[in-house]
Amino acid sequence: TQLLEQSPQFLSIQEGENLTVYCNSSSVFSSLQWYRQEPGEGPVLLVTVVTGGEVKKLKRLTFQFGDARKDSSLHITAAQPGDTGLYLCAGESITDKLIFGTGTRLQVFP
Amino acid sequence: ETGVTQSPTHLIKTRGQQVTLRCSSQSGHNTVSWYQQALGQGPQFIFQYYREEENGRGNFPPRFSGLQFPNYSSELNVNALELDDSALYLCASSDGGYQETQYFGPGTRLLVL
Repeated sequence: TQLLEQSPQFLSIQEGENLTVYCNSSSVFSSLQWYRQEPGEGPVLLVTVVTGGEVKKLKRLTFQFGDARKDSSLHITAAQPGDTGLYLCAGESITDKLIFGTGTRLQVFP
Repeated sequence: ETGVTQSPTHLIKTRGQQVTLRCSSQSGHNTVSWYQQALGQGPQFIFQYYREEENGRGNFPPRFSGLQFPNYSSELNVNALELDDSALYLCASSDGGYQETQYFGPGTRLLVL
């Protein structure tokens, strides 16, 4: 069974701080996606990483796919209250369906 | 372009009852996937429909069933509801199966008492 573990589970920080969320697995994924979900809404895709070692930047968000394609990280620089939400990683499994991680709930206080 | 819509937004049922949830896919999308998201957890894949045929299923019992219509909208049916079925049910549409980006609806929150 392919599983994705995220850490930390909860993160509460002040505006302007930096943070990193980790997504780890013992399995290899052909691609990995990061989503943000706000209360009352479905997840919204932020980025897809495909190549081992790949780094993608989206404004203040930096996503990295591990060399072995088993792990990924999301780094947010100078967090803002608008970054508050549930961050989910999701990997494309060997049967091609999406397997979601356990989620990291981020709260950024002004 | 209309996004993914789901109905109803909230639903309360009692144990043993049956429920039908509905999803309208984004315009031009022929694939719908359903997910169950328990409180505080990530979504879990239930099944996917591609051009009216089931195209993969997760680890859910047969009392979870689905349907996709010629206009690519979809239904999720759950029979013999159990307390643990209380969750947010999300549908996501895409154009062409697993490889394409999935766009999620806002979900239906089901509470089973």
